[in-house]
Amino acid sequence: QQQVKQSPQSLIVQKGGISIINCAYENTAFDYFPWYQQFPGKGPALLIAIRPDVSEKKEGRFTISFNKSAKQFSLHIMDSQPGDSATYFCAASIFESGGSNYKLTFGKGTLLTVNP
Amino acid sequence: GAGVSQSPSNKVTEKGKDVELRCDPISGHTALYWYRQSLGQGLEFLIYFQGNSAPDKSGLPSDRSSAERTGGSVSTLTIQRTQQEDSAVYLCASSTLGQGGVYGYTFGSGTRLTVV
Repeated sequence: QQQVKQSPQSLIVQKGGISIINCAYENTAFDYFPWYQQFPGKGPALLIAIRPDVSEKKEGRFTISFNKSAKQFSLHIMDSQPGDSATYFCAASIFESGGSNYKLTFGKGTLLTVNP
Repeated sequence: GAGVSQSPSNKVTEKGKDVELRCDPISGHTALYWYRQSLGQGLEFLIYFQGNSAPDKSGLPSDRSSAERTGGSVSTLTIQRTQQEDSAVYLCASSTLGQGGVYGYTFGSGTRLTVV
């Protein structure tokens, strides 16, 4: 059972454009939703994360939009740059009281290519 | 060191041989995770260590796989009698608890295992 579904698998965007990656989850107990960025040969790195108490979080050119009723969240990259070309993973977890469980369930990833 | 260190970075082994993969987490990080990354499959959870608690081994794919964490620091992932299906990148991550708002993992660069 795939608990976090990510789309699209790959995305090509022109420099300066907006990149949008979507994720949907099934487990209503999930309450922490991070996005990770991975460059070839490197491990994923935390990009931005959101808790369900807000519907949007923005950090620089990166924005997470969260729709609790639809059980969906998305990553928007504004003014996309060639340096943003990477694989992006969404993830979800249950943040138990006391922070005792950080096990993340990841989507399958989106390969983003930003053309110059 | 400043990051999560994994060794070896690449490992080629013959089918049927045993392999050991090593992870040095960030000093002071109480939680340690192993994930497997296969092409098109995203990141699959394998095992999670948290302090002195019993590890969560629910993701280990077979009885040929095991992991241990000594002294709450270094971890080794062992795969016995390797099969071609074990070929993947094995990622280790660590994290801390209780740092308000910071729930992200820090990943190592992974070990690329190829079974021939």
